[in-house]
Amino acid sequence: NAGVMQNPRHLVRRRGQEARLRCSPMKGHSHVYWYRQLPEEGLKFMVYLQKENIIDESGMPKERFSAEFPKEGPSILRIQQVVRGDSAAYFCASSPLGEETQYFGPGTRLLVL
Amino acid sequence: QKEVEQNSGPLSVPEGAIASLNCTYSDRGSQSFFWYRQYSGKSPELIMFIYSNGDKEDGRFTAQLNKASQYVSLLIRDSQPSDSATYLCAPRVDSSYKLIFGSGTRLLVRP
Repeated sequence: NAGVMQNPRHLVRRRGQEARLRCSPMKGHSHVYWYRQLPEEGLKFMVYLQKENIIDESGMPKERFSAEFPKEGPSILRIQQVVRGDSAAYFCASSPLGEETQYFGPGTRLLVL
Repeated sequence: QKEVEQNSGPLSVPEGAIASLNCTYSDRGSQSFFWYRQYSGKSPELIMFIYSNGDKEDGRFTAQLNKASQYVSLLIRDSQPSDSATYLCAPRVDSSYKLIFGSGTRLLVRP
């Protein structure tokens, strides 16, 4: 039973480029969460999605960041026009319907040059 | 006041000892509480969760919850060097499924 999958594991972008981070939840899980961890800091909630719906995006920066979880395929976290401050580890977690426990993927480490 | 407070540590204990990790939270609406372990450069790994006041045991781990005091703790018995990691406390806010993470306590178990 594969766990939460994220790719790429490492991503390097230059300032102004776009970053696309992908997350495939565990089999049978319909809820996806994105968290960001800045260097030497704790995890911060960004967004909670179910298939084709954004449930809670209270942690998303107002500009440049967007997320989706289409009916088919992985969840995508998209960062437009990246800046150096976006450099962080981005973790995706998933949970099954009706359960609270969140299982984390290995993360994508984004480095903005 | 931070939403979730943890002593950053490092908490240093000898191998075989009990490690006690503490966490306080500010949102009285929090209903469930999760403990994750995170090794350096890795992703959080679920240890256990607790919903009700009192103790909950799972192997060498015991979670303790006191909602009146807004306090949750994790005890690790017979600590091993492999337990050396950062331990994250994460209450779930009742109105949402999102977790609010503390900054974590770094545990160091000395051989």
